[in-house]
Amino acid sequence: QLQLQESGPGLVKPSETLSLTCTVSGGSINRSSYYWGWIRQSPVRGLEWIGTVFYTGSTDYNPSLKSRVAISVDTSKNHFSLKLNSVTAADTGVYYCARHWSGYRVYFMEVWGKGTTVTVSS
Amino acid sequence: EIVLTQSPGTLSLSPGERATLSCKASQSVSNSLTWYQQKPGQAPRLLIFGAYDRVTGIPDRFSGSGSGADFTLTISRLEPEDFAVYYCQQYGESPITFGGGTKVE
Repeated sequence: QLQLQESGPGLVKPSETLSLTCTVSGGSINRSSYYWGWIRQSPVRGLEWIGTVFYTGSTDYNPSLKSRVAISVDTSKNHFSLKLNSVTAADTGVYYCARHWSGYRVYFMEVWGKGTTVTVSS
Repeated sequence: EIVLTQSPGTLSLSPGERATLSCKASQSVSNSLTWYQQKPGQAPRLLIFGAYDRVTGIPDRFSGSGSGADFTLTISRLEPEDFAVYYCQQYGESPITFGGGTKVE
């Protein structure tokens, strides 16, 4: 059974970089049928798609975050990672990783990780 | 980007009753719409994709309908485990976007 698990610091200082990793178990990240990515949720912004990566390393980002985001994949470790730089309090929320179904630059989330809470505060 | 408006914000019902949730898009997304269920402290769970296709294992009391810009999620008879927040999401146009949710209490 496919499982995804987020990991990373729960507290990040303003202006610094948020870094999270999603480890995939019960399936290979290498399968060409699937994409992988990140979604966040906060009381103010609701659910927000951050970005998506294919096992080849090809990426697609939400235009609203594109200037600050990088998502990468490590197939040897069966995980993918999120980096969000220059964070502010507005980036506080629960961050989920998920396996995506993909059309052409459009996605929905088939399998979700449990989520990890990230707080931006000094 | 496409804005999804869900209504009502909260639906107060009893077990056994029928729930009807609405999701309206600011422009047509054809049938590229999904519904998720989220319980407190949990991640969202995919229920329906393609506006009306149920994910394997989702009970048939959940049904989706609609196309274009107007969609509905119906729960025919509420079970105790169905009380949760429901979100719609469109994948008709990039960037994908989510609705604000309907809480069924």
